[in-house]
Amino acid sequence: DIVMTQSPDSLTVSLGERATINCKSSQSVFYSSNNKNYLAWYQHKPGQPPKLLIYWASTRQSGVPDRFSGSGSGTDFTLTITGLQAEDVAVYYCQQYYSIPYRFGQGTNLEIE
Amino acid sequence: EVQLVESGGGLVQPGGSLRLSCVASGLTFSRYVMCWVRQAPGKGLEWVSSISGTDGSTYYADSVKGRFTISRDNSRDTLYLQMNSLGAEDTAVYYCQAGQPSDNWGQGTLVTVSS
Repeated sequence: DIVMTQSPDSLTVSLGERATINCKSSQSVFYSSNNKNYLAWYQHKPGQPPKLLIYWASTRQSGVPDRFSGSGSGTDFTLTITGLQAEDVAVYYCQQYYSIPYRFGQGTNLEIE
Repeated sequence: EVQLVESGGGLVQPGGSLRLSCVASGLTFSRYVMCWVRQAPGKGLEWVSSISGTDGSTYYADSVKGRFTISRDNSRDTLYLQMNSLGAEDTAVYYCQAGQPSDNWGQGTLVTVSS
């Protein structure tokens, strides 16, 4: 099984600043036959279902603001939020969909300073 | 617009059973892999189970294997999760998801296992 580990567990950032969340997989989630990383990022707010932000490690979901970006390959990935806004307060999860079980990271709680 | 509506959650005693349903609309249901994801109180998201749209292959997290059964009725655009031998650790909000990864989620249904 592929284990997903996020860092940090929680993060406090000022409005307008940058937030960086890291995600490390215990095995590579890169599939060489199609040159894709099977890694997604979700935003989850209380009382709502999760929202897909990024898939294939760096492809922004339609309608997601361009202040959200994903990067990385293989086993190390990053979600970056630039120009942080109050509405970005949420828990962020990475998830691998390379192999069953499709584990999520433990989540990173993002707060505004 | 894609809509997923879960139902069937509620309070159940330890050792009991419950069947969740998820009715889909606004998509060609049979073409989608369907998943159940849960969130226990104060915990993170946990992938529970998936079922393919084509051959009906099923997959489970170790935590539910042998107790939960995922199924689908493509004629009714409906996904199911039969949950048996429930324990307190199964208390969670259960979400259905169409696709993997996907932005198509239901609003969730709460399952509480307690005496």
